[in-house]
Amino acid sequence: SQTIHQWPATLVQPVGSPLSLECTVEGTSNPNLYWYRQAAGRGLQLLFYSVGIGQISSEVPQNLSASRPQDRQFILSSKKLLLSDSGFYLCAWSWSSGFYTEAFFGQGTRLTVV
Amino acid sequence: KQEVTQIPAALSVPEGENLVLNCSFTDSAIYNLQWFRQDPGKGLTSLLLIQSSQREQTSGRLNASLDKSSGRSTLYIAASQPGDSATYLCAVNGDTNAGKSTFGDGTTLTVKP
Repeated sequence: SQTIHQWPATLVQPVGSPLSLECTVEGTSNPNLYWYRQAAGRGLQLLFYSVGIGQISSEVPQNLSASRPQDRQFILSSKKLLLSDSGFYLCAWSWSSGFYTEAFFGQGTRLTVV
Repeated sequence: KQEVTQIPAALSVPEGENLVLNCSFTDSAIYNLQWFRQDPGKGLTSLLLIQSSQREQTSGRLNASLDKSSGRSTLYIAASQPGDSATYLCAVNGDTNAGKSTFGDGTTLTVKP
């Protein structure tokens, strides 16, 4: 079966510090990978998605970047965090083939920038 | 641009009651619609996935319907239990990449014993 892992679960970082959140998927190959952010009491906003190694698409302009160094590894980064980067970050994956597939989510990382 | 609205934002019901959560979307050109459950501080658990060609899906006490032409979906929960208390999110997918979904802001459900 497929599993998705996200870490860390919580993170408190000062303004101006770097960020690295990691997500890995097990039990499948060549998945589509996604990073979402959820503001308090709101739905999810898609930040980045990737259909393959080194292929990153950004959905919204921001202070963050994403990378996919390996097939099942997706990393969310920032060089200098802003207060507005605080939020709940969720990684997700879906199968790459076929139209009728669903998305599966990790447990999320709560980021607080202070 | 797809917009997804969920009504009500919050709902409190006594245990045992049947209830309906609503989701509406502005662009009917979708591939599928997915209902998720989110417990506080946790990730999303997929409840039901309805393909654009389907009218409804059922899983246990949950039934989700889809009326694509009118841009509406409902999640019906039968015989609610305190363990059903959570936030329920509706996600509409108009892209071949299943994870490129547009989410509503969710309905927070409280089931009182």
